[in-house]
Formats: sequence, C-alpha cells, structure tokens
Amino acid sequence: DAGVIQSPRHEVTEMGQEVTLRCKPISGHNSLFWYRQTMMRGLELLIYFNNNVPIDDSGMPEDRFSAKMPNASFSTLKIQPSEPRDSAVYFCASSLSRRGLYGYTFGSGTRLTVV
Amino acid sequence: GNSVTQMEGPVTLSEEAFLTINCTYTATGYPSLFWYVQYPGEGLQLLLKATKADDKGSNKGFEATYRKETTSFHLEKGSVQVSDSAVYFCALRPSTNDYKLSFGAGTTVTVRA
Repeated sequence: DAGVIQSPRHEVTEMGQEVTLRCKPISGHNSLFWYRQTMMRGLELLIYFNNNVPIDDSGMPEDRFSAKMPNASFSTLKIQPSEPRDSAVYFCASSLSRRGLYGYTFGSGTRLTVV
Repeated sequence: GNSVTQMEGPVTLSEEAFLTINCTYTATGYPSLFWYVQYPGEGLQLLLKATKADDKGSNKGFEATYRKETTSFHLEKGSVQVSDSAVYFCALRPSTNDYKLSFGAGTTVTVRA
C-alpha cells in the first residue's frame, strides 16, 4: 500500500498565479479530506468528500479556493489567484468509512509558498 | 461544541525520561479519541486510539487511557528516545456518525541525547 500520495511536495509561486495541488487517496477509502496547517491556526479542515461528493466545504477560506474529486482515486485543490497568506502546508487525508472508528491516513503534504 | 485542549509546548526532555502530554476534551455524546504524531517534514500518522471510556490505546511504547470522568486522554511514554522527537496531536471524533476530527494545537517534543 503506497499510502496517500500528494504532489508536488513543494511549490513556490508568485502572487496571482494559479496553484493546483493533487492527491491520490488509498485505494478503497471512500472519504477524503483536505487540511491546511499553519503555525498560527494549526490544522484546519478545508473540505470533506464522501464517495467523491463534496459533503462539507465550510472550511474553504473563500472563492479563490476550489476542490474537485472526479473519481475515487484523485482529488485536486486549486487556488486562483494565490496570495502570500495562502502559504501553508496542505495535507490530504483519506479514511475507510464515514462511520466507524477509523482514523485518517495523511499524505506527506504540499508545502506551498506564495511570494 | 467539540474541542480538544493540549498542553502547550515545546517540551524538551533527555533520553530515557518520562513523557506526559496532557489532553482534555469537550464533547457531547461518546467520542472516539486519537493521538497522532508528525515527524519533521512528514504528514500526521495515527499513533493510537481509544473508542470508549476506560479503553487504553497503546503503540510504540506510548499509552493513553480514555478517562470520561476527567474528560482526558493524556499521552505517556516511560522512556523516550531521540527518535520520538516530533509534534503530537490529540484529536477527537464526536461519534461514529460524524466524519470530522477535531485536532488540538499540537505539542512539540524534543528529546536530547
């Protein structure tokens, strides 16, 4: 099992540019989460998908952020246009089931720097 | 609402010292509790979990007991190693029907040789 795979590991971009972060969840997991981690705010849940359907996007900061999950094995988080305050580590996590007692499996994260 | 409060760090210890990281929670109903560990440059990894009162989760020498009477889930290890240096997060899942994990702020632990 390769775990949750995120790409790229690091991204440096200029303010105003579009940024796309990618995630491949663990095969068979039907829940997917995008988190953002900063020193100031800790871990924030941005959006949650269940069976490829967005269930809760209340954590998405603003309209500049969008997320998609076109199939069970792939998700993207897009920021357009990017701003310096978006600099953070973005984690994708997947889980086996919405119910039950499972924790999440996290990817290694994408460190985004917007200059 | 549901929330988790962790002791503030950073915590610096010598090898073979005893480690305790306090975690208390606020929740309605019967939450599940978790400890995650984040090593430098990596994502969070599930360290241990407990799903009901008096359950003890354990892994890699770490233990935590779900105490409903004190709403606590303190993490302990009897003899730490340099390789235990990491950030530790306490987390709560409100119920089996709730997908959201609420994380504490994290506690940075540094173990010196």
